[in-house]
This record gives sequence, C-alpha cells and structure tokens, in this order.
Amino acid sequence: DAGVIQSPRHEVTEMGQEVTLRCKPISGHDYLFWYRQTMMRGLELLIYFNNNVPIDDSGMPEDRFSAKMPNASFSTLKIQPSEPRDSAVYFCASSLGRASPNNEKLFFGSGTQLSVL
Amino acid sequence: AQKVTQAQTEISVVEKEDVTLDCVYETRDTTYYLFWYKQPPSGELVFLIRRNSFDEQNEISGRYSWNFQKSTSSFNFTITASQVVDSAVYFCALSEANQGAQKLVFGQGTRLTINP
Repeated sequence: DAGVIQSPRHEVTEMGQEVTLRCKPISGHDYLFWYRQTMMRGLELLIYFNNNVPIDDSGMPEDRFSAKMPNASFSTLKIQPSEPRDSAVYFCASSLGRASPNNEKLFFGSGTQLSVL
Repeated sequence: AQKVTQAQTEISVVEKEDVTLDCVYETRDTTYYLFWYKQPPSGELVFLIRRNSFDEQNEISGRYSWNFQKSTSSFNFTITASQVVDSAVYFCALSEANQGAQKLVFGQGTRLTINP
C-alpha cells in the first residue's frame, strides 16, 4: 500500500502566481480531504469529497482557492492568485467512509509545504 | 459548536518518564467520536486511536493508554516509559456523528519532546 501521495513536497512561489497541489488517495478510499496547517490556526479542513463529488467546501478561505477531483485517484487544490498568507502546509487525506468504525480513520499524505514570497 | 482544547503547547521530559497529554472537548451532540493523531518530524499525521461517545472504556495499547471521561469532557493520552521515538506533535480531534466521522476538528496540538 503506497499510502496517500502528495506532490510537490515543497513549493516556493511568488505572490500572484498560480499554485497547484496534487494528491493521489489510497486506492479504494471513497473520501478525500484537503487540510491546511498553520502555526496560527492549526489544522483546518478546507474541503472534502465523497466519490469524487465535493460535499463540503465551507472551509475554503476564498474564491482564490479551488479544488477538483476528476476521478477516484486524483485531486488538485489550486490557488490563483497566491498570496503570502497562503503559506502553510497543505495535507491531503483519504478514508474508506462510514460503513464501519474501522473505516473512519484518516490516512494523511506527507503534505506540501507552500511558501509564497 | 465543536471545539477541542489542548492546553499544553509543549512538554519536555526525560526518557523513561511517564507523560500525559490533556485533551478537553466541547460538543452539543450526544453521539461523537474522539481521535488522537501523531505528527512525527517527517510531517504526516498518523492515526493512533478512535473512540465513540458511548464507549467510555479506557484503552491500553502497549505503552500508550487513553482515559475517556464524559463527565469532564476529557480524552487524555498517557505514554508510559517514554522513548525518544515518541517525540512528535500529538493532536486530539473531535467529529460529530451528524457531520460524518471524518469531518474532524483538531486541537492545537501538543509538542512532546523526549530527551535521552
């Protein structure tokens, strides 16, 4: 099992540039989550998908952020245009769903460290 | 609204000491789930335990144990005979059943350092 795979591990960009973060969930998982981690706000849920459909995007900070899941094995989080306050670690996580208690733990990727200068 | 408080920002102990990480939560739901996750220096969060609100039995897994007390809304985590490899940031998290167990609210985390 390869786990949740995120790319890139590190991204440094300049303010105003478009940034795209990528995630490959664990095969067979039907939930996918995007979290952001900062010192000030801790871990925040941005958006999550169930069977490739966005269920709750109430955590997306503003219109500059968008997320897609075109198929069960790939998701992107895009920031356009990026700003310095977007600097954070962005985590993708996946899970099997609500069918049973054992299915409800999240498996996290290693995160993408984003720095916007 | 749901909230998780980890009052201890940082803890530093010497190897082999026992250490307890505190977690206090707030929720209006009667059915909810509590979690602990570990974030080692490598960065990814690793699931440690899940507990539902109807199961107040304490759990022990090797050197790790968890004390769930609904009366005080606490879900504390104890590491016995700590080891250097236990050094990490530990997060307590809560989800309410009506929002799906995966929609977690995390505490701010406790950075645990185990010194040799």
